[in-house]
Amino acid sequence: GESVGLHLPTLSVQEGDNSIINCAYSNSASDYFIWYKQESGKGPQFIIDIRSNMDKRQGQRVTVLLNKTVKHLSLQIAATQPGDSAVYFCAENNAGNMLTFGGGTRLMVKP
Amino acid sequence: GAGVSQSPSNKVTEKGKDVELRCDPISGHTALYWYRQSLGQGLEFLIYFQGNSAPDKSGLPSDRFSAERTGGSVSTLTIQRTQQEDSAVYLCASREDRDYGYTFGSGTRLTVV
Repeated sequence: GESVGLHLPTLSVQEGDNSIINCAYSNSASDYFIWYKQESGKGPQFIIDIRSNMDKRQGQRVTVLLNKTVKHLSLQIAATQPGDSAVYFCAENNAGNMLTFGGGTRLMVKP
Repeated sequence: GAGVSQSPSNKVTEKGKDVELRCDPISGHTALYWYRQSLGQGLEFLIYFQGNSAPDKSGLPSDRFSAERTGGSVSTLTIQRTQQEDSAVYLCASREDRDYGYTFGSGTRLTVV
């Protein structure tokens, strides 16, 4: 299931620092992975995706790393800004047409 | 449309009443999903529609919950005899195909008093 308890893990970073949010996924057959950002009062928004034939993909200030050996996904945010404060979800797509979501990590950016 | 549209954005209802939540997916997206998100928690899968196939209802928490998708487009999630524990944000998402991610709506915040 996608819901994993009452309290989201929280990462607190200083404005301007780099942030790294980690995610362990469950299915070695998963071939597509996505990071979503959810700001307060809004639905999750797509940030960046990566397919299993890649181990790194870069966007604007964001980088996703995929380590299939240990089934680990990470999101790196460069020069974190207050507007990056949100809950971040990883998601994996295995055999079907459904994504399996991680429990989420709350990122708090201190000015 | 340009995005996934959900209505109403907020709904306050009395315990025991029925509610209907609406989702307008992106035109052409064949897959539609409903999720529930309680305050400060993750995404709880409810139900999934794919084209003309029978929906995957495995996430519906009780028989008070039902959903339909008419004409392969608009979907309605119905909660009968609402309870206080039904209070949450109900999110709808649609997807073109499995090569892409979901596009989420902004959700309906349901409060049962």
